[in-house]
Amino acid sequence: QKEVEQDPGPLSVPEGAIVSLNCTYSNSAFQYFMWYRQYSRKGPELLMYTYSSGNKEDGRFTAQVDKSSKYISLFIRDSQPSDSATYLCAMSAGGAQKLVFGQGTRLTINP
Amino acid sequence: GAVVSQHPSRVICKSGTSVKIECRSLDFQATTMFWYRQFPKKSLMLMATSNEGSKATYEQGVEKDKFLINHASLTLSTLTVTSAHPEDSSFYICSAWPGGTYEQYFGPGTRLTVT
Repeated sequence: QKEVEQDPGPLSVPEGAIVSLNCTYSNSAFQYFMWYRQYSRKGPELLMYTYSSGNKEDGRFTAQVDKSSKYISLFIRDSQPSDSATYLCAMSAGGAQKLVFGQGTRLTINP
Repeated sequence: GAVVSQHPSRVICKSGTSVKIECRSLDFQATTMFWYRQFPKKSLMLMATSNEGSKATYEQGVEKDKFLINHASLTLSTLTVTSAHPEDSSFYICSAWPGGTYEQYFGPGTRLTVT
């Protein structure tokens, strides 16, 4: 079993839709949870960061962490074509050390 | 701020040759740098962790003699793929951690193609 599981998609939705991306994990030591966005042939850029359980909102993006279920989510509201990218969840047991990434979900927002 | 560069952005080399990839933190000093490898439509896999002035720590299954990592200064780490083979073709991404924060800053990646 992989430490982090993420549905690779692809996921295609119309512009303006609410998008839900999810990851599950098996390592209960993970405390730091991140979502990265990666455009084709580019390095990942950090979108959202959450420590331990709870919700965090930043503009159109909301990250949720449920440590009891070992499940994290990223919601994108009012999705835009510019949101089309691969979204990777990542997590760590010790701050910025040794991030473990999910497979990434390829998302396309259709105008 | 917090910009990480990689050079080259893409490289094509012949089988059996060696290739060096540079990772630089442009506006901060990186306590630790990480090297990842990413296959098409796959996730980032950590290859090794390097701290300035000390030997890199390699992940299980990564050949240290094949992937040589040097972290000579707080702003520069290099990855050398020795005796490259077609199966080494991949997207190599570095990240830099300045310490005192949760965030790693990623470079734009280097696409290596071995023919």
